[in-house]
Amino acid sequence: DGGITQSPKYLFRKEGQNVTLSCEQNLNHDAMYWYRQDPGQGLRLIYYSQIVNDFQKGDIAEGYSVSREKKESFPLTVTSAQKNPTAFYLCASGRREGYEQYFGPGTRLTVT
Amino acid sequence: GNSVTQMEGPVTLSEEAFLTINCTYTATGYPSLFWYVQYPGEGLQLLLKATKADDKGSNKGFEATYRKETTSFHLEKGSVQVSDSAVYFCALSPSGSGGYNKLIFGAGTRLAVHP
Repeated sequence: DGGITQSPKYLFRKEGQNVTLSCEQNLNHDAMYWYRQDPGQGLRLIYYSQIVNDFQKGDIAEGYSVSREKKESFPLTVTSAQKNPTAFYLCASGRREGYEQYFGPGTRLTVT
Repeated sequence: GNSVTQMEGPVTLSEEAFLTINCTYTATGYPSLFWYVQYPGEGLQLLLKATKADDKGSNKGFEATYRKETTSFHLEKGSVQVSDSAVYFCALSPSGSGGYNKLIFGAGTRLAVHP
């Protein structure tokens, strides 16, 4: 079964700690994306990657970091510099311009 | 710039009622248009898409027609079910995105269907 997996589904951290969210896809897609969703709002792009070892900042990259060492994997680190990290994080992948993105089930991060 | 505007929710309907969720967009050129659905606590699922003017996307009884003259992509369903209760997102992918598929989302419209 092809798809995108995100783990864990729920994550709890203390303020000041870095945390890494996992995203894996077996769809053979070149592009991968990270979005943040806050209650009652749309999705905001954090980072995206078109190819391995390359990634670009999205609209709200401050306080986040990513890596793309393998085509299948695009982990997101929420650093202690992110002022409001509590949110629902969605990973997506896609083929090329004009085509849809496929989303994972999301990770809900709560920082207290 | 590129943007998507959806009607504010929540939209509350009785089962078997007709559904319309309005979506208008601002974009240069010829974007691709999408509707995604999000069930509680889950990721987004692609519901339907249209890639050029006058295209009609359809899936699971939902339909939307790409209207360039009115820059709209309204979502419709003839008879909603309780299981359609979810948040619906309209999105566009700008033409000439530079080799990757950037999606711009509306704020989402929550639909609640009662028996």
